[in-house]
Amino acid sequence: GESVGLHLPTLSVQEGDNSIINCAYSNSASDYFIWYKQESGKGPQFIIDIRSNMDKRQGQRVTVLLNKTVKHLSLQIAATQPGDSAVYFCAAFYSGGYNKLIFGAGTRLAVHP
Amino acid sequence: DAGITQSPRHKVTETGTPVTLRCHQTENHRYMYWYRQDPGHGLRLIHYSYGVKDTDKGEVSDGYSVSRSKTEDFLLTLESATSSQTSVYFCAISAAGGEETQYFGPGTRLLVL
Repeated sequence: GESVGLHLPTLSVQEGDNSIINCAYSNSASDYFIWYKQESGKGPQFIIDIRSNMDKRQGQRVTVLLNKTVKHLSLQIAATQPGDSAVYFCAAFYSGGYNKLIFGAGTRLAVHP
Repeated sequence: DAGITQSPRHKVTETGTPVTLRCHQTENHRYMYWYRQDPGHGLRLIHYSYGVKDTDKGEVSDGYSVSRSKTEDFLLTLESATSSQTSVYFCAISAAGGEETQYFGPGTRLLVL
């Protein structure tokens, strides 16, 4: 079946450093991807999305990179802050059967002072 | 949380009892979704709706039913709760189906004893 996986369950960084969270997907036909942030006890919060006609998209302190050749995307967070501590999910849109987003299990980002 | 509320936020119930969770949105979005989130599984789609009275099954729909009588409300019912349905349930909305961002509510934590 289709799957979306994150490379590391936990990532620890120092405050002020840049963070990179990686994600791999299995369906080469997926052409829409979303990154979500989930803080403890809250629902997933949209961070940034990217479509397959792009390989890079930037937001405020965040950049998403998409490599369709190896079916990989990454989320880069610049100057990581304590408020960035959360679980980060990538999701890939899959149009087979019924249209749906497939979510990865998440990477926990821990920011240390 | 993009104008999405869920009720109740927490519920404890006993095996065999019926349970109804409510999702309410103020965005007038056409699509609404119910997901469950469990450790190690990420977010999995239970049911979704693409309009009033229009619903369809997701990947883990067994034991669940839904109804949508108004654009703003989407109900998830567990006809006879089981311990395997202990989970955190999230409602999401999107303006359109397919490759559109889904925005999530705050979640309902359900414990079935």
